[in-house]
Amino acid sequence: AQTVTQSQPEMSVQEAETVTLSCTYDTSESDYYLFWYKQPPSRQMILVIRQEAYKQQNATENRFSVNFQKAAKSFSLKISDSQLGDAAMYFCAYTSSGSARQLTFGSGTQLTVLP
Amino acid sequence: KAGVTQTPRYLIKTRGQQVTLSCSPISGHRSVSWYQQTPGQGLQFLFEYFSETQRNKGNFPGRFSGRQFSNSRSEMNVSTLELGDSALYLCASSLSGIFEQYFGPGTRLTVT
Repeated sequence: AQTVTQSQPEMSVQEAETVTLSCTYDTSESDYYLFWYKQPPSRQMILVIRQEAYKQQNATENRFSVNFQKAAKSFSLKISDSQLGDAAMYFCAYTSSGSARQLTFGSGTQLTVLP
Repeated sequence: KAGVTQTPRYLIKTRGQQVTLSCSPISGHRSVSWYQQTPGQGLQFLFEYFSETQRNKGNFPGRFSGRQFSNSRSEMNVSTLELGDSALYLCASSLSGIFEQYFGPGTRLTVT
């Protein structure tokens, strides 16, 4: 079974600084997708960034970028120029491209942005 | 374009009762997935419906069921409620599957 591990329950960053959230996963599949979702206090899950396993290039969305290391099964999220609005719970998630396409989530990292 | 809506937003039920939650996907989206979020178990996949057919199912007991209507709206039903069913239930829709999911605000279910 696939598992997703986020080893940092809490992180904090100073406003305008950069922070990296870690995620590792375990799978025997070769074709899959990885995601980072953000859940602010409103509880609305928001997709931050997506990475296809077959793409070697790391995904980037404005201030958010990932470091995807397929061999190491690592998928970290880097937030540059952190803003107060970035404060939220961040979840790493995995899904295979096969028939059993369901999102498996990590336990989450609570990010605090300090003014 | 309107987002995913879920009703009701909050619900209090008594152990042993049953409950039905509703999810209206983004217009044009045919896939609806349901997730349970609890402090202890985190986010867990319940099931996915596509074109009125259950396509994937997570590891939950048969008390949890769902359905999807021809307009893609989906309902989730939990029978014989247990205290452990207290959770935030999230619904997500996408055009064709898991890859680009948009989540609703959730329904907070409390079982007393």
